[in-house]
Amino acid sequence: EVQLVESGGGLVKPGGSLRLSCAASGFTFSSYSMNWVRQAPGKGLEWVSSISSSSSYIYYADSVKGRFTISRDNAKNSLYLQMNSLRAEDTAVYYCARVVDYWGQGTLVTVSS
Amino acid sequence: QTVVTQEPSLTVSPGGTVTLTCASSTGAVTSGYYPNWFQQKPGQAPRALIYSTSNKHSWTPARFSGSLLGGKAALTLSGVQPEDEAEYYCLLYYGGPWVFGGGTKLTVL
Repeated sequence: EVQLVESGGGLVKPGGSLRLSCAASGFTFSSYSMNWVRQAPGKGLEWVSSISSSSSYIYYADSVKGRFTISRDNAKNSLYLQMNSLRAEDTAVYYCARVVDYWGQGTLVTVSS
Repeated sequence: QTVVTQEPSLTVSPGGTVTLTCASSTGAVTSGYYPNWFQQKPGQAPRALIYSTSNKHSWTPARFSGSLLGGKAALTLSGVQPEDEAEYYCLLYYGGPWVFGGGTKLTVL
């Protein structure tokens, strides 16, 4: 059974940093591109970032470029999102996803003073 | 900035048929955009329904189908059930980045 479990969310002050993790199981993690998608409270889905299976190709939404860094450790079946210079508008549930099929349940990030 | 547009809301009667569409600000949507469709109910994570225009996952009910229609991606629900009331999102691929549509709130009434 494919499972994606996010962790690392929480309350952080504007300008602060947070690192999200996603533990994958039930599939050959190293064979798949992975993504982070977020959803602000009461709003729609926003694609944040993607990383190819070998980390050769990385893409970011303009809204997070230069502040967020996606990475993965195939040996640990884990995906990460390092978030720096956080803003109030980054407040959202962050989902780890293969996008086209399997999604995690999300972790809430709240940016507030 | 690329914008993907969906109908904000639609209403359908139980047993009826409804089509949701997904347009790109860059022009006609083709199979090269690998259109995906997702369903999201309140308090739940999104659930994938359709990938690469018209392919269904093993868990996708048969009443859901995807296609290209008049330069847009389309999701058609035939024989709508009350449990289909939800928010529906399309997702398009732009050669690296992905972009979600704003979502369609489907009401079954």
